[in-house]
Amino acid sequence: KNEVEQSPQNLTAQEGEFITINCSYSVGISALHWLQQHPGGGIVSLFMLSSGKKKHGRLIATINIQEKHSSLHITASHPRDSAVYICAVRKTSGSRLTFGEGTQLTVNP
Amino acid sequence: NAGVTQTPKFRILKIGQSMTLQCTQDMNHNYMYWYRQDPGMGLKLIYYSVGAGITDKGEVPNGYNVSRSTTEDFPLRLELAAPSQTSVYFCASSYSSSSYNEQFFGPGTRLTVL
Repeated sequence: KNEVEQSPQNLTAQEGEFITINCSYSVGISALHWLQQHPGGGIVSLFMLSSGKKKHGRLIATINIQEKHSSLHITASHPRDSAVYICAVRKTSGSRLTFGEGTQLTVNP
Repeated sequence: NAGVTQTPKFRILKIGQSMTLQCTQDMNHNYMYWYRQDPGMGLKLIYYSVGAGITDKGEVPNGYNVSRSTTEDFPLRLELAAPSQTSVYFCASSYSSSSYNEQFFGPGTRLTVL
C-alpha cells in the first residue's frame, strides 16, 4: 500500500464548479506539499503546510494532522486549472519527499 | 534567474547506449534531486545531493550514477540504457531540506529506450 494515496485519480468538472482533491497518508509527517503539473509537464509548488489551512487566490489547502488527511479545493474552476495535482509528504523520519500518484483534473468550458 | 534547467528535452536511446542528463540551477541551492516519473506512478527519487561533492541514493538508484562537482550542476548518468529506464526525468533543487523549503523543478527530460 502506498504511503500517500490520492483520490480521485481522475476528475472531470464543468467550468465554475467547486473541486476537491483528497490526500491521505499513513506515516508521520513534518509537512505536506501540493504541487501542480501542467499539461506540458512542468511542476510547480502550490502549497506547503503542516497545520490548518492556506489560501492562494481560488486555491485552498487544508490539513488534519490527527486524521492524516489533506484536501485541495479549487473554487470557481476554470479550464486553465486543468492539470495533474500531486500531493507529497515529508516524513518526520527523513528529509525526502514521498509523492502520491497524482489526480488528473480536466475542467471543461 | 533561469531557475532549474534540464537538457535535453527529449531523447531516444538504443538498449546499451549511455547518456548524461544535464541539470543546472542558478539559485545557489544546496540540495538537488533527480526523480523519475512513470505513467500512473508518483515521482520516485533516484539520487540526491546535499552539496558539492556529496551525493546519496534515493529509492530507485540502480542503473544510474550522479556527480556534484559544483553547486550549480547535478548531471545524471545512464551507463547501459534499458527499456525499464524509459521515463520522464525531473531535476529539482531546494535551499535546504527543511520542511518549509519549496522544491523547484526543471521542465523534465522525456527518455525513450528502444
